Amino acid sequence: DTAVSQTPKYLVTQMGNDKSIKCEQNLGHDTMYWYKQDSKKFLKIMFSYNNKELIINETVPNRFSPKSPDKAHLNLHINSLELGDSAVYFCASSPGLARAGLEQYFGPGTRLTVT
Amino acid sequence: GENVEQHPSTLSVQEGDSAVIKCTYSDSASNYFPWYKQELGKRPQLIIDIRSNVGEKKDQRIAVTLNKTAKHFSLHITETQPEDSAVYFCASSSYNTDKLIFGTGTRLQVFP
Repeated sequence: DTAVSQTPKYLVTQMGNDKSIKCEQNLGHDTMYWYKQDSKKFLKIMFSYNNKELIINETVPNRFSPKSPDKAHLNLHINSLELGDSAVYFCASSPGLARAGLEQYFGPGTRLTVT
Repeated sequence: GENVEQHPSTLSVQEGDSAVIKCTYSDSASNYFPWYKQELGKRPQLIIDIRSNVGEKKDQRIAVTLNKTAKHFSLHITETQPEDSAVYFCASSSYNTDKLIFGTGTRLQVFP
């Protein structure tokens, strides 16, 4: 009965490869997010979707392409991986838009290591 | 652009002492201020939040205060316990943007 789940938990890959991370929430929330947490623990918003529509694209390189097939799923595809992409990627969801001041529920994170 | 500054970056206290973490925000339209706790290797989880129409909120050993004039808000943890050891993030959002801006985090260590 996990609320927000992500797969895989760990991802080790070489520079130049393409990889995907999947996220699912069973909370019935309308809004989903992708965050990047770097080695210094900074948490930075990358994308947010509301009912499958892109709301926020926070000047992320276009090698990153989110896809929301339905409001319960938000996947992240990364092309041509670079060393600097190594980080922990968190998916999160909330009942509505961030401007409504609602709790965000985070997934367990995906630790991406690019070698 | 929007910015949230958080201090200190690390904080060490003896079990039973109090801990205070302070944040300053730049967007005067900010109206929601949550605090998240992230234990080692785990996900961030909300521990307390406050809205701009309230000056203080308390939940057992944790409390948050907000000074809208100075654009400051603080987390207070009393009677700290070793299980309070974690990274704490403040954050803010406003009524005219759709993102939560996080502070840079405070690593709290509580020594027995």
